This record gives sequence, structure tokens and C-alpha cells, in this order.
Amino acid sequence: DAMVIQNPRYQVTQFGKPVTLSCSQTLNHNVMYWYQQKSSQAPKLLFHYYDKDFNNEADTPDNFQSRRPNTSFCFLDIRSPGLGDAAMYLCATSREVTGGPNTEAFFGQGTRLTVV
Amino acid sequence: GEDVEQSLFLSVREGDSSVINCTYTDSSSTYLYWYKQEPGAGLQLLTYIFSNMDMKQDQRLTVLLNKKDKHLSLRIADTQTGDSAIYFCAELVPDSNYQLIWGAGTKLIIKP
Repeated sequence: DAMVIQNPRYQVTQFGKPVTLSCSQTLNHNVMYWYQQKSSQAPKLLFHYYDKDFNNEADTPDNFQSRRPNTSFCFLDIRSPGLGDAAMYLCATSREVTGGPNTEAFFGQGTRLTVV
Repeated sequence: GEDVEQSLFLSVREGDSSVINCTYTDSSSTYLYWYKQEPGAGLQLLTYIFSNMDMKQDQRLTVLLNKKDKHLSLRIADTQTGDSAIYFCAELVPDSNYQLIWGAGTKLIIKP
């Protein structure tokens, strides 16, 4: 059974048109992450939530925002997508962020975003 | 700064063992992970090793950790076509606010 679910799997948006990607989890994990992965590259962490606490990476553009209305759901909002934002967006969860066995991250299948 | 390096490609024959290597720079790593990514899919956690261990075996997978050389390897015994994927090494470093530091991934190509 899928534990981290991302919708949709594929999203096409127009240049400059706001788009929202969604992620839900059935694991009841405290932490939810959003990663951006471009072709043939490692995933790049954009931000994460520990419960309701939002943690932004220093180099994440302001164009990217996130919301976590409850434990199960987390959204990635791209306010004005540019061509350079076309990528796979991966959502992940973990029980904790501190070091320990509970820090392993479980990933969703990803949403591939195309900007036209 | 933190850095994790992997070869970009590895080609092996079906039935042989695959050994995917990873080197890292930060000696304060607590956990090191191997993730598998099939084409167009998310990342699947394969296995992880705690930094005070030097070996972990899980069915066809063997992880070796050499802390002195900061070298991590993943051995896949009896490689099958279903093992064809990109394998990412990642380390958990306390000084990086406990975020994962990722390698660029090794694409495993299986030859018949």
C-alpha cells in the first residue's frame, strides 16, 4: 500500500501560471520534505516541515512556497513557474529529523512538472 | 564542506555481482543510505548503515563502510534486469542540520 502519495504524477503548466503539487502520507510522520530533482541529478532539498514548523533551505527561490494544513498533507506551490522549474518534485516523510534509525526518509513516486 | 561522490555509470552482466561505490568527506556522518530510483519513479530506500558498523547484509545486498577512507559500497549479488536503476548514496550529517547530503547517483546498466 502506498504510504506517501503524490498527485498528480504528471503536471503540465503554463509559464507564469501558479501551480500546486500535493503530497499525502499515511505514516503519521512528523517530518515532510519537498525535493526538486532535475534530470540526471541528485535530489535537491527545497524545504521541510517538522510538524507545523517550516524550515526553508537558504538557496530555495521565493517562487517556491509550501503549506502543511495537517499532519497528512503537504503542498508545494510554485507561484510563477519558469522553464527552469521543469523537474521531478519528490515528497518524502520521516519520523524524525535528528540522527537515528527513525530518520530514514520514505519517498512518494514524484510529480513530473512540465512548463510550456 | 560536505560532498558525496559516485561514479555516474556501472555496467554488469546479468547474474554477476554489482559493486557501486561512494565516497564522502564528512567524518561526522551518523547514517549512510542507499536509495534506488527506477525510471520516472520516486526514490526507494534500499538499506542504510549506522556509522559505527562496517558491514550490513540484507538478502542480496551487502553494504560495506570504511570510515577511515570515508568509503561506502553497495554490493548486489546475482544482478537481475530488475536491478536496473539509478542508485543514490546519501549521508546524514549532524552539522548540516541533519539533512541528507546526496551523491549524483550511479546508473546501473545490466547486460544480458
